[in-house]
Amino acid sequence: EDQVTQSPEALRLQEGESSSLNCSYTVSGLRGLFWYRQDPGKGPEFLFTLYSAGEEKEKERLKATLTKKESFLHITAPKPEDSATYLCAVHPPPGTYKYIFGTGTRLKVLA
Amino acid sequence: DTAVSQTPKYLVTQMGNDKSIKCEQNLGHDTMYWYKQDSKKFLKIMFSYNNKELIINETVPNRFSPKSPDKAHLNLHINSLELGDSAVYFCASSQGQIYGYTFGSGTRLTVV
Repeated sequence: EDQVTQSPEALRLQEGESSSLNCSYTVSGLRGLFWYRQDPGKGPEFLFTLYSAGEEKEKERLKATLTKKESFLHITAPKPEDSATYLCAVHPPPGTYKYIFGTGTRLKVLA
Repeated sequence: DTAVSQTPKYLVTQMGNDKSIKCEQNLGHDTMYWYKQDSKKFLKIMFSYNNKELIINETVPNRFSPKSPDKAHLNLHINSLELGDSAVYFCASSQGQIYGYTFGSGTRLTVV
């Protein structure tokens, strides 16, 4: 069965303390892997799409990477405003249409 | 502002009532979705329309009925509301199915 697992479930960092979030998946024929940020009381906000192993995308302090089995969201020198829940989702093979979301990592960055 | 807007933001209602949530996008996207987010923050697809055609119809109670009058609008009607329907419902849109989604800000439904 297609599955997406995110770890850790929750992460507390000091401001400036770099770390990585993990998204592992068991999907054959991956068409895309997506990262979103969700703030409390708001809808998820699209961050990145990765389509093939070895691909990397960057935005400010965030860098997403993709292998054949997992994706990492690296956060370099985080700030308190980076605190949010980070969700990953995969787009399965043609004909299924459906994203599969992970359960997210709740990140808290302390000043 | 270009966005996905859904109304109402909050909905508190009694068991057994019928309610609707409306969604509109002005991004020119051809695909729209309804997602349910439970208390553990897990997002689960309910329905999806592509150019007004239903393409995803997950196993949800038939008390839930989507309607897409045009490709910019997707509404969700819920009959005979139950306590277990309490959740946050998100509308989203995308251009095709392999690109990032734009989500609305959600409707928090509370059934009492």
